[in-house]
Amino acid sequence: GNSVTQMEGPVTLSEEAFLTINCTYTATGYPSLFWYVQYPGEGLQLLLKATKADDKGSNKGFEATYRKETTSFHLEKGSVQVSDSAVYFCALRADYKLSFGAGTTVTVRA
Amino acid sequence: DTAVSQTPKYLVTQMGNDKSIKCEQNLGHDTMYWYKQDSKKFLKIMFSYNNKELIINETVPNRFSPKSPDKAHLNLHINSLELGDSAVYFCASSQGTGGPYEQYFGPGTRLTVT
Repeated sequence: GNSVTQMEGPVTLSEEAFLTINCTYTATGYPSLFWYVQYPGEGLQLLLKATKADDKGSNKGFEATYRKETTSFHLEKGSVQVSDSAVYFCALRADYKLSFGAGTTVTVRA
Repeated sequence: DTAVSQTPKYLVTQMGNDKSIKCEQNLGHDTMYWYKQDSKKFLKIMFSYNNKELIINETVPNRFSPKSPDKAHLNLHINSLELGDSAVYFCASSQGTGGPYEQYFGPGTRLTVT
């Protein structure tokens, strides 16, 4: 079946540090890949997506590249801010369903 | 304008009661979903409707019954509530059923069963 494995948290960083959250997936066919972000007390928002191999999704300084050869979609940001504190979910879409990773809680300290 | 809205935002009830959560989207999407997020933040799909037709029904107790009166609404009715039903329930919608279509999520309904 389809599944997503995500780096376990929590992750605590200082402002302006580099953030990377690892995500690997198992799927048949060619899924679309997504990163969603959930701020405290809110629903999920799409952060970025990639629909085919070697696509790079980017938004708000975050980037992730769809790597078919390593079945990965790692999230990176070069310089985090306190406002980036949230839970980040990697997800894949296949067979009409969105399958989520377990989520990674990121806390950025001033 | 709120894209996907849910009511109520909080729901506290006792074991054995029956309750409903309502969801509405004003995006013109034809596919809607219910997800359950547990206390460890793990998200799992429960149901999906496309054009008012059920297309995904995961292994969910039959105490949970979704109802879609039209494409813009998807309600969730829960009978005989149990302690384990306590969670945050999210409604979502998307333009289509597959491929790159983004899902838009509502703000969630926090259900607490005592």
